[in-house]
Amino acid sequence: DVKVTQSSRYLVKRTGEKVFLECVQDMDHENMFWYRQDPGLGLRLIYFSYDVKMKEKGDIPEGYSVSREKKERFSLILESASTNQTSMYLCASSSPGQSMFNEQFFGPGTRLTVL
Amino acid sequence: AQKVTQAQTEISVVEKEDVTLDCVYETRDTTYYLFWYKQPPSGELVFLIRRNSFDEQNEISGRYSWNFQKSTSSFNFTITASQVVDSAVYFCALSVVGGYGNKLVFGAGTILRVKS
Repeated sequence: DVKVTQSSRYLVKRTGEKVFLECVQDMDHENMFWYRQDPGLGLRLIYFSYDVKMKEKGDIPEGYSVSREKKERFSLILESASTNQTSMYLCASSSPGQSMFNEQFFGPGTRLTVL
Repeated sequence: AQKVTQAQTEISVVEKEDVTLDCVYETRDTTYYLFWYKQPPSGELVFLIRRNSFDEQNEISGRYSWNFQKSTSSFNFTITASQVVDSAVYFCALSVVGGYGNKLVFGAGTILRVKS
């Protein structure tokens, strides 16, 4: 069964802390994605990675960085957390396969609160 | 620029009613895919359907059906005889070519509440 897991369901951090959100997929997918979900805004792409050590900025990368040292793991890093980064963070993965439009598989999300 | 609009923020229906969720998209690409995802209270998005820009045939899967019309740039989703378990947030998304992989542009989502 397809599986994307995220390290925490709920996380509370303080302003200025460095925050790591971890995502692991077991489907041997090349592509991995980080989104944030906010009410009324849907999901917005922060960063994505199409291979180990490769990454591209999404629509809202400011304040975030990512790391992909292994194919199955994609980490989102908040260098210095701020209150406006309080949100739901969703990780996803996909495989290009024969179509670069294959569906993405999502993890359960991490609800981050920055105080 | 690519954009997806889900004008209905929230819909409430009574069980067994039919309900249609609207999705309007904008893109200049000739090749693209459209998706619908369901997000139940557990939080994990569940893939429902993928449709490519060259296939305007409507699709039916059980109580779910999708109507794709390129002329109006719409990809609407209908649930027939709704059930309480259909209560969720539903997202429409547009897949665009970007870099080495497909990127999804999501609409804001529609909250569907089905009451018994």
